[in-house]
Amino acid sequence: DAGVIQSPRHEVTEMGQEVTLRCKPISGHNSLFWYRQTMMRGLELLIYFNNNVPIDDSGMPEDRFSAKMPNASFSTLKIQPSEPRDSAVYFCASRGGWEQYFGPGTRLTVT
Amino acid sequence: GDSVTQMEGPVTLSEEAFLTINCTYTATGYPSLFWYVQYPGEGLQLLLKATKADDKGSNKGFEATYRKETTSFHLEKGSVQVSDSAVYFCALTGSASKIIFGSGTRLSIRP
Repeated sequence: DAGVIQSPRHEVTEMGQEVTLRCKPISGHNSLFWYRQTMMRGLELLIYFNNNVPIDDSGMPEDRFSAKMPNASFSTLKIQPSEPRDSAVYFCASRGGWEQYFGPGTRLTVT
Repeated sequence: GDSVTQMEGPVTLSEEAFLTINCTYTATGYPSLFWYVQYPGEGLQLLLKATKADDKGSNKGFEATYRKETTSFHLEKGSVQVSDSAVYFCALTGSASKIIFGSGTRLSIRP
């Protein structure tokens, strides 16, 4: 298996633009997680899904953030409009048993 | 609610020194405990785990013992190498399928 796949790996955009981050979980895993990591706030759980259903989105910072999981093999995290304070590394992770596997992350820079 | 507290970094050691990174937890029930490691520019990856009291997880020379009486899961290694430089996260399984991470401890090893 290729592991958790995230795209793009790097994204640079201007303030006010829409940003879409993509994730393909490991096949057969039924839980998917989106995290944000910054130096100031560390690793934050934004939202997670079980069987494609959002279970807990209490970590989503504000209405500008939205996440979808239309099927078991794909999820998106969208920021609209983006702001400089959204600059961070965004990780997707999936889990089928007790071990959680992380993707390589998307480094987002909003100027 | 469930939580994980780990020692603040950064921790700087010389090569071949003994390493301890402290981790304590608060949880209802009997969580599984984990140590994850994040190398520069990568996502988190599982280092070791323990699923019940008195279990010892080990991998790559690292060890941690699940201590229910002290609610601790300290990470140890007898002789660190430069290649061990990374950020280490203590974690536990929380409610539903969510894993709760500590804030991370940055470890730097001097040659």
